[in-house]
Amino acid sequence: DIVMTQSPDSLAVSLGERATINCKSSQSVFSGSNNKNYLAWYQQKPGQPPKLLIYWASTRESGVPDRFSGSGSETDFTLTVSSLQAEDVAVYYCQQYYTTVPVTFGQGTKLEIK
Amino acid sequence: QVQLVQSGAEVKQPGASVKVSCKASRYTFTGYYMHWVRQAPGEGLEWMGRINPNSGGTNYAQKFQGRVTMTRDTSISTAYMELSRLRSDDTAVYYCARDSEEGATFYVDWGQGTLVTVSS
Repeated sequence: DIVMTQSPDSLAVSLGERATINCKSSQSVFSGSNNKNYLAWYQQKPGQPPKLLIYWASTRESGVPDRFSGSGSETDFTLTVSSLQAEDVAVYYCQQYYTTVPVTFGQGTKLEIK
Repeated sequence: QVQLVQSGAEVKQPGASVKVSCKASRYTFTGYYMHWVRQAPGEGLEWMGRINPNSGGTNYAQKFQGRVTMTRDTSISTAYMELSRLRSDDTAVYYCARDSEEGATFYVDWGQGTLVTVSS
């Protein structure tokens, strides 16, 4: 199974400042056949299911604010919140879907306001 | 838009079984894999398996092999996940989630979650 490791486990950032969350996969999730990285990012708030933010490592889901961006390739990926808003307080997960049985998630990163 | 509506919370004793349903609407049920993901209290997301609603074919995470059964009823566009021989560490919120429109296994659409509590 592909192991996904996020860092840090928790992060406190001031309102309006940049937040950066990292995700590392134990093997490459890049496919040369379609030139895509099989990596997604989710945001989860208490009592809610996860919400898809980013897929294909850098494609923003419809309706997601443009302060959220994804980058990276192969085994190293980053989710950036360019200017933290109060409503961005949540737990964030990365997920690989290069192998679909099983798909695997990172352990989560808790983002808080400093 | 796609809707996935799950059954209500359950309380079960250790050793019992639980069956959670996920009713799909506003899309072609047989056109997309349905997955089950669980989340223990305060913990992360754990993929349990998937079902092809068209064929009924299933794939399960190794951890749950022999304890989980995923089925579907195409006549009512509903997927089911049954977990047997429940233990206290099976206490979790169980989500159904659908493959994306692109057919790739990231999840735009999720059920609201079903809390299963295992306690004597």
